[in-house]
Amino acid sequence: EPEVTQTPSHQVTQMGQEVILRCVPISNHLYFYWYRQILGQKVEFLVSFYNNEISEKSEIFDDQFSVERPDGSNFTLKIRSTKLEDSAMYFCATQKRTGGAEKLFFGSGTQLSVL
Amino acid sequence: SQQGEEDPQALSIQEGENATMNCSYKTSINNLQWYRQNSGRGLVHLILIRSNEREKHSGRLRVTLDTSKKSSSLLITASRAADTASYFCAFEGGATNKLIFGTGTLLAVQP
Repeated sequence: EPEVTQTPSHQVTQMGQEVILRCVPISNHLYFYWYRQILGQKVEFLVSFYNNEISEKSEIFDDQFSVERPDGSNFTLKIRSTKLEDSAMYFCATQKRTGGAEKLFFGSGTQLSVL
Repeated sequence: SQQGEEDPQALSIQEGENATMNCSYKTSINNLQWYRQNSGRGLVHLILIRSNEREKHSGRLRVTLDTSKKSSSLLITASRAADTASYFCAFEGGATNKLIFGTGTLLAVQP
């Protein structure tokens, strides 16, 4: 089965630093998402992205967060100035969306630790 | 909150027994999905049920949906130690295309 690839698998950073998390979506998928999960608990929606723009974002996704697909391949999540509470597992997910209900394909995640 | 609620939070059973997990939500939905997560890994899709469906089967999995009660259940029959994982419901509703996840059930199947 096709896979969503995320890099790095682990990222340790100092508070206030910028981080960029990378995702390579499945090639024919059109919708991209970022979710985060703190300490194996609830899975929280951050943002959805379609046709090179944000289609929806949550209240968590404030001005410190941004997403882009700079080269038509990688889909990135940037946190400009990290806070301690940004420590979490960040998951990229993609979806084909040719019509009707469809499942999400998740990457294996990036564990972000902010010190 | 839009988030779904699952119960139980944790479930421990013996191999061969059935496991039932329940999910409740508050909004109208287009479909409801169940995902599995092994510790420290990504989520893997298990099964999807549309809002006009009441029951669906896939192998040892059985999902029911009651839109009048805004609830769903996932039944895993004849459980195996390899079924040990966290299970999350997720629903898509209204004009949005995002999935909202439940709080999850941690299933431990003892050999």
